[in-house]
Amino acid sequence: SQTIHQWPATLVQPVGSPLSLECTVEGTSNPNLYWYRQAAGRGLQLLFYSIGIDQISSEVPQNLSASRPQDRQFILSSKKLLLSDSGFYLCAWGTSPYNYGYTFGSGTRLTVV
Amino acid sequence: ILNVEQSPQSLHVQEGDSTNFTCSFPSSNFYALHWYRWETAKSPEALFVMTLNGDEKKKGRISATLNTKEGYSYLYIKGSQPEDSATYLCAFSGGYQKVTFGTGTKLQVIP
Repeated sequence: SQTIHQWPATLVQPVGSPLSLECTVEGTSNPNLYWYRQAAGRGLQLLFYSIGIDQISSEVPQNLSASRPQDRQFILSSKKLLLSDSGFYLCAWGTSPYNYGYTFGSGTRLTVV
Repeated sequence: ILNVEQSPQSLHVQEGDSTNFTCSFPSSNFYALHWYRWETAKSPEALFVMTLNGDEKKKGRISATLNTKEGYSYLYIKGSQPEDSATYLCAFSGGYQKVTFGTGTKLQVIP
């Protein structure tokens, strides 16, 4: 069966510090991978998606970036965090999620101080 | 920017009561409508993915209906139990990789 792992679960980082969140999927090949963020009082917002290794699409301009160095690994990064980067970050995967829905990771609560 | 609205934002019901909430979405370029349950400290879990106007889906005590022409979906919970307490998210899919989530309805079932 397919599983998705995301870490860390919580993170408190100072403004201007770097960020690296990692997500891995097991039990499937060539998944579509996604990074979502939920800011306070808002719906889940799609940040990046990837349909294959080194293929990244950005949905929202920001100081975040994503990389997919391996088929089942998706990384969210920032060189310098802003206060507005605080939120709950979710990794998700799906074969055709706009048709069949997403499977989400457990999430990372990021607080930038 | 697509508008996906859910109401109410939150509600409290007594154990055993039935309840329902609404998801409103654009009535054009419809591809699919998703419902998720998001319990505290867990991942959102897919409940239903609905694609056809008039679709009705059921999973135990939870069911959902879909009206794509007028742009709304209802989620019903029959005989609410404390374990139903969660945030219920809907998501509108307008095509390839175009999924917009609502802000959710937070349900608290009081024993």
